[in-house]
Amino acid sequence: AQSVAQPEDQVNVAEGNPLTVKCTYSVSGNPYLFWYVQYPNRGLQFLLKYITGDNLVKGSYGFEAEFNKSQTSFHLKKPSALVSDSALYFCAVRDLPSGSARQLTFGSGTQLTVLP
Amino acid sequence: AAGVIQSPRHLIKEKRETATLKCYPIPRHDTVYWYQQGPGQDPQFLISFYEKMQSDKGSIPDRFSAQQFSDYHSELNMSSLELGDSALYFCASSSGLAGGDATDTQYFGPGTRLTVL
Repeated sequence: AQSVAQPEDQVNVAEGNPLTVKCTYSVSGNPYLFWYVQYPNRGLQFLLKYITGDNLVKGSYGFEAEFNKSQTSFHLKKPSALVSDSALYFCAVRDLPSGSARQLTFGSGTQLTVLP
Repeated sequence: AAGVIQSPRHLIKEKRETATLKCYPIPRHDTVYWYQQGPGQDPQFLISFYEKMQSDKGSIPDRFSAQQFSDYHSELNMSSLELGDSALYFCASSSGLAGGDATDTQYFGPGTRLTVL
């Protein structure tokens, strides 16, 4: 069974500082990893995904994520945080076992607060 | 760009009533997913459809059913509503390849907030 862990419920960072939101995963096959962001009373917005290839994935709004197979991690990063980045961030995973399971399994979410 | 449309955005029902949630996927997307997000929780997969056929089933109660229609829109039907069904219900769509390509990105709608009183 696939699973995702986001060890931090809350991350606070000062505006202009780099930010990292952590995610580790567990899958039986090849991991397909995603990051979504959720603003209050809004839907989930796709940020980026890792399928294969370069371990550093660049996504929307200046976000990037680094896939590390040996550490089974997919941490979300941004070099310089903005107050508008404050939101709930979800890491999600999908693997491709012998069946057709294409649903996403989400982590518990990390609330990012960027302080002005 | 067109996004996933969900209706209604808010719904208030009494216990034991029924509810129908609708989802209109992004044009040319053939796969629809339904997720339930309880208060302070992560989204949980309920069910999905590919080319109008159920493709995967998650933690969907027997009181719930869903289908995908010929125009690819989907409806989630919920009967005998319980207080615990109060949640945000998301629909997502993707453009899957035949056989179930796991790499297609799911794009989410704004959700329907269901409140059961």
